[in-house]
Amino acid sequence: EPEVTQTPSHQVTQMGQEVILRCVPISNHLYFYWYRQILGQKVEFLVSFYNNEISEKSEIFDDQFSVERPDGSNFTLKIRSTKLEDSAMYFCASRLAGAEQYFGPGTRLTVT
Amino acid sequence: AQSVTQLGSHVSVSEGALVLLRCNYSSSVPPYLFWYVQYPNQGLQLLLKYTTGATLVKGINGFEAEFKKSETSFHLTKPSAHMSDAAEYFCAVSEDNQGGKLIFGQGTELSVKP
Repeated sequence: EPEVTQTPSHQVTQMGQEVILRCVPISNHLYFYWYRQILGQKVEFLVSFYNNEISEKSEIFDDQFSVERPDGSNFTLKIRSTKLEDSAMYFCASRLAGAEQYFGPGTRLTVT
Repeated sequence: AQSVTQLGSHVSVSEGALVLLRCNYSSSVPPYLFWYVQYPNQGLQLLLKYTTGATLVKGINGFEAEFKKSETSFHLTKPSAHMSDAAEYFCAVSEDNQGGKLIFGQGTELSVKP
């Protein structure tokens, strides 16, 4: 069964460093998402992406964040200058039109 | 704006007992509603969804949920709990009623006692 994959599973970085989180959505899916879950809190929407552009972004998704679909298969989330409060589990998801979202296993980002 | 409230951050049941996880939502449009399950150190797996049509929806692993518009509820039930059901359960509403941007509840951790 097709699945969403994410790499790495765990990323440790120092405050101020840039990180790139990678996702490979299900191959025929058209809509892509990033969510995050700070430890002990609810899953929060970050950004949606369709037709090679951002459809919607949350207040969390400020200028330090960017997304890209560089090669038709990968979907990346970049954080330019990480802060301690960026420590969280980041989930990628994808879907077809009108269908449910399929989530990846997540990347745990730890900022020290 | 849409929102989701899950009553009870932690629910504990005995093996074989009824599982009831509560979810209430608010939405200005006919909602798409979802239940996801998260096992330890894993991603979110779809249990079931309501879009339109039949208000009682069946999902994987014997779970089902009933959409009650008058009560703005979408509670998740399973007649008989298994040890393997122990996990975190998230209720979510799709804000654009197309399956897009999901608004999640805070999650309910289900424990199953032998």
